[in-house]
Amino acid sequence: DAKTTQPPSMDCAEGRAANLPCNHSTISGNEYVYWYRQIHSQGPQYIIHGLKNNETNEMASLIITEDRKSSTLILPHATLRDTAVYYCIVRGLMDSNYQLIWGAGTKLIIKP
Amino acid sequence: EPEVTQTPSHQVTQMGQEVILRCVPISNHLYFYWYRQILGQKVEFLVSFYNNEISEKSEIFDDQFSVERPDGSNFTLKIRSTKLEDSAMYFCASSYRPFAGLNNEQFFGPGTRLTVL
Repeated sequence: DAKTTQPPSMDCAEGRAANLPCNHSTISGNEYVYWYRQIHSQGPQYIIHGLKNNETNEMASLIITEDRKSSTLILPHATLRDTAVYYCIVRGLMDSNYQLIWGAGTKLIIKP
Repeated sequence: EPEVTQTPSHQVTQMGQEVILRCVPISNHLYFYWYRQILGQKVEFLVSFYNNEISEKSEIFDDQFSVERPDGSNFTLKIRSTKLEDSAMYFCASSYRPFAGLNNEQFFGPGTRLTVL
């Protein structure tokens, strides 16, 4: 089972920042937080991942709380093309599982 | 930018027939994966493959399924005798490293939609 909980859906206005929350209250010290998204009928797309420091790349920023029990994915200037299901996934550095374990994700709808 | 490619994009087959789904992973990646997604449901892991061996498989990946890397570039998923419930999107993925950490992001292909009639 997925180790994370996310709201099932969110709306955001085009051009505004989209903030997607994720709870991972049972995360352990060697587990990373990964974010992927899936635009309708396409393959999942890697966005970003982090351990405890905040991370930023060309797609998004990842803010992880100090206790690491939750995180927020930030899309700074959302566009209509960012409409997708966003998945927060926790994986351990020493996990013997090669697989990604997917939850239901958050369906983000960007509105014009 | 390098990407994972999959063929065909859509495959229609009769129940009981064999199908082979093909993937070309990113060229310097070493770990390969198949996932599937039944319409409206979660993405599910099927199998991972490294060094010409299965490294992990799920309960879904029964004797009807097999994987192969027949040459240096292709990675295939074979379903020996398809069932109606095999209808799904099948996604191939690859990564440079496994597990969590650096350089182990899994990159996914666009998927093959398999329809079993």
